[in-house]
Amino acid sequence: GAVVSQHPSRVICKSGTSVKIECRSLDFQATTMFWYRQFPKQSLMLMATSNEGSKATYEQGVEKDKFLINHASLTLSTLTVTSAHPEDSSFYICSAAPTGAGTEAFFGQGTRLTVV
Amino acid sequence: QQQVKQSPQSLIVQKGGISIINCAYENTAFDYFPWYQQFPGKGPALLIAIRPDVSEKKEGRFTISFNKSAKQFSLHIMDSQPGDSATYFCAASSKAAGNKLTFGGGTRVLVKP
Repeated sequence: GAVVSQHPSRVICKSGTSVKIECRSLDFQATTMFWYRQFPKQSLMLMATSNEGSKATYEQGVEKDKFLINHASLTLSTLTVTSAHPEDSSFYICSAAPTGAGTEAFFGQGTRLTVV
Repeated sequence: QQQVKQSPQSLIVQKGGISIINCAYENTAFDYFPWYQQFPGKGPALLIAIRPDVSEKKEGRFTISFNKSAKQFSLHIMDSQPGDSATYFCAASSKAAGNKLTFGGGTRVLVKP
């Protein structure tokens, strides 16, 4: 199946700093990528839809100025958590669907963010 | 409002037994229903998916049953193995809404040897 690579897999940062997470589709192009957040023992919650060449669409309640999304190419989307606080500590996961190939989405391996 | 409700929250099954997980949805516009398997610290992996024009789909030991009128679908894991111990999520999406996945709450399955 198609591969989505997420980097880094783990990151620890100090409160007040910013962290960038990358999501790459390795063997396909993705016009749209999705970013999710998952707290321990909970389900995935969609944060935003990342659209190549245009602004991301954020779900209700997600601060767009705090979670900056850039989808600069058909294979790369980045999520930057700005001015991180301990409550931002979570598991962040991206997914991507091959352009024009229907609905099957492939997920990255996730990034564990810990803010200290 | 939770659009996809999943049950049970957890499940213990003996090796060789059948694991059954149920999901119910509310949005009749949903047209794609995948199941994902997630191991701790990893991203979800697609197991099997179904569309509403089919009532059942089987892939290996995994079967989805779909009841459009009841707005319910379920995952059956036959001959459950310890390696199947994971968290399973049902999900649903609609093309009209940009194929955004709405996930159920998840079911933690433990298969005892």
